[in-house]
Formats: sequence, structure tokens, C-alpha cells
Amino acid sequence: GQNIDQPTEMTATEGAIVQINCTYQTSGFNGLFWYQQHAGEAPTFLSYNVLDGLEEKGRFSSFLSRSKGYSYLLLKELQMKDSASYLCAVRAGLTGGGNKLTFGTGTQLKVEL
Amino acid sequence: EPEVTQTPSHQVTQMGQEVILRCVPISNHLYFYWYRQILGQKVEFLVSFYNNEISEKSEIFDDQFSVERPDGSNFTLKIRSTKLEDSAMYFCASRGTSDEPYNEQFFGPGTRLTVL
Repeated sequence: GQNIDQPTEMTATEGAIVQINCTYQTSGFNGLFWYQQHAGEAPTFLSYNVLDGLEEKGRFSSFLSRSKGYSYLLLKELQMKDSASYLCAVRAGLTGGGNKLTFGTGTQLKVEL
Repeated sequence: EPEVTQTPSHQVTQMGQEVILRCVPISNHLYFYWYRQILGQKVEFLVSFYNNEISEKSEIFDDQFSVERPDGSNFTLKIRSTKLEDSAMYFCASRGTSDEPYNEQFFGPGTRLTVL
């Protein structure tokens, strides 16, 4: 089975940096995704890690340590529009197979002035 | 930019009725998925579909559920006899081949199903 843990809520200030952590236990790991979800909307892809290390994509960066079963999403220069739920999702299985995503409960980020 | 579309955006039905949720995946994608999200809860995998057959399904996807790709563009989820606990947002997703850099799943806007 798979288990994914992330904090339920976080609050940060506009212009600041925030780090959202995710820990997972899984079999057949084949990548970790971060998605952003605004209330009532679909998840949208933010980042992907399959190898250890940091992936940077504009204001967003994501880090993975497979040996520790740990990832984080780093958001810089926070804007009010970044207020959303951030979903950590693990993909299991071989590439080319079903490759379902297992999601964490999401971290609700609130950006304040 | 290509996107996944879903219809209807909101479906209200009586308990015991059949519903069909429709999705049009991104045109050159090969793998299709249904997920659901009960209000306030996490996104849950239902089923994956490839090469005209189910490749994986979860415990939620019981005999009341079925999927179909009736033509080259649509991908449908049918719930034969809806229950109150089927009320949720249902997301369709698709992805291309492993040649793509991230091979991420693209999600549609969702269908909110309300069972009364």
C-alpha cells in the first residue's frame, strides 16, 4: 500500500518563501508530483521528481530524497494567487503501465498581506 | 493549449439512478483515468484505461462502475445505481507516452455529482 503525509494547513506572508513537506511510504516508486488545486477546480501540474535532488521551475522548486521518502515544494516570492491546496502525489508502477497517482490530503496554503 | 474537457459540470440525480459522466481527453494521449474527490477529502484513484481495457482499478471501482471509450475521442464513466456516498467531484485525466519529459497527468475541470 501507499501512505502519503503532508501538513493540513500553512499560512505565509506575501513576498515570503514557504516550504511544504511531504513524506511517503510506497512500493514501486516511479515519481513524485506536486499539483496545485484551487477550491472547486481541477488539480494543475506544478512539478515532478523521479531522481534525488532539486528541480527548479520559476518561483517553484521541488526536492526529492528517495532514501528518506521525503519531498518538499518550495514557493518563493509568494503572491496572493498562490493561496490554494498543494497536493503531493506519488506514481507507482512501471512506465507504460497504469501508473495511477496516489494523492496526499493536500496542504491548504493561505497567503496573507 | 490542449486540455481535457468534461461534461456535465454538475449532475444531480436520485439515488438508484444511472449516470454517465463524459470526458474528452487530450487528442494524442493514450492513457486515461478517473479520480474522485469527496468534498473536503483527498483525490482518490478509481480506474486507469489503456488500449481499450482497464489496466488498474481501485477498491472503490466495484461492479456498479464501468468505463468505456465508445469512439476515438470520448471516455465515459458509468455508475449503474447511484448511492448517496457517490456524491463527489469526478475528475478525468489523461497522459501521453513516456517520451514526454514529465509524463504528467492532465486533469479535466471535473463533474460535480450530487446524489439525492
